[in-house]
Amino acid sequence: ETGVTQSPTHLIKTRGQQVTLRCSSQSGHNTVSWYQQALGQGPQFIFQYYREEENGRGNFPPRFSGLQFPNYSSELNVNALELDDSALYLCASSTDRYNSPLHFGNGTRLTVT
Amino acid sequence: QKEVEQDPGPLSVPEGAIVSLNCTYSNSAFQYFMWYRQYSRKGPELLMYTYSSGNKEDGRFTAQVDKSSKYISLFIRDSQPSDSATYLCAMSEGGSQGNLIFGKGTKLSVKP
Repeated sequence: ETGVTQSPTHLIKTRGQQVTLRCSSQSGHNTVSWYQQALGQGPQFIFQYYREEENGRGNFPPRFSGLQFPNYSSELNVNALELDDSALYLCASSTDRYNSPLHFGNGTRLTVT
Repeated sequence: QKEVEQDPGPLSVPEGAIVSLNCTYSNSAFQYFMWYRQYSRKGPELLMYTYSSGNKEDGRFTAQVDKSSKYISLFIRDSQPSDSATYLCAMSEGGSQGNLIFGKGTKLSVKP
């Protein structure tokens, strides 16, 4: 048990809609990262937040945005959904930005129709 | 050429076999190397975490890193049906643990 919980577990949206995914990590885990995992692929880095500020971003467009809150929870928002956004979205947390490994939640399965 | 290459398998072995899983990479700046196990409908679970070159052992699992060859391996001894999962290698340059580069994963099936 990693202590990282994500909600909802499954979600179906229509192309063009907006979605918010949520993550809650352990107390003291002040770094949170979001990843997108397409079917049959490894996870791809979306962005990382450290103490409520974005601290690194992968090759994802600005319609992917996030927030981190003081209570160790965070959100991933995706605007103007596209069919290719269908994937498993994973949240991961760690105790610092540098040397501590990431621990993942079980993800939210997003389907865009 | 992708930054991290991993044979997707599938790999099927009998119970008790020694399993060898491998990844190659092209970025010589990678310093941190990880292996994650992912069961169906679950998130990746950290198995091994190593820094720079060398070996690390944890129970039935041994991770090896050869930076000169840009090659990492995970060995599973006395494999069990419960080891059936997808194994993902991941690596990073350090300084930002969040930006892990993953392989595609190798699907392993251990037959009783």
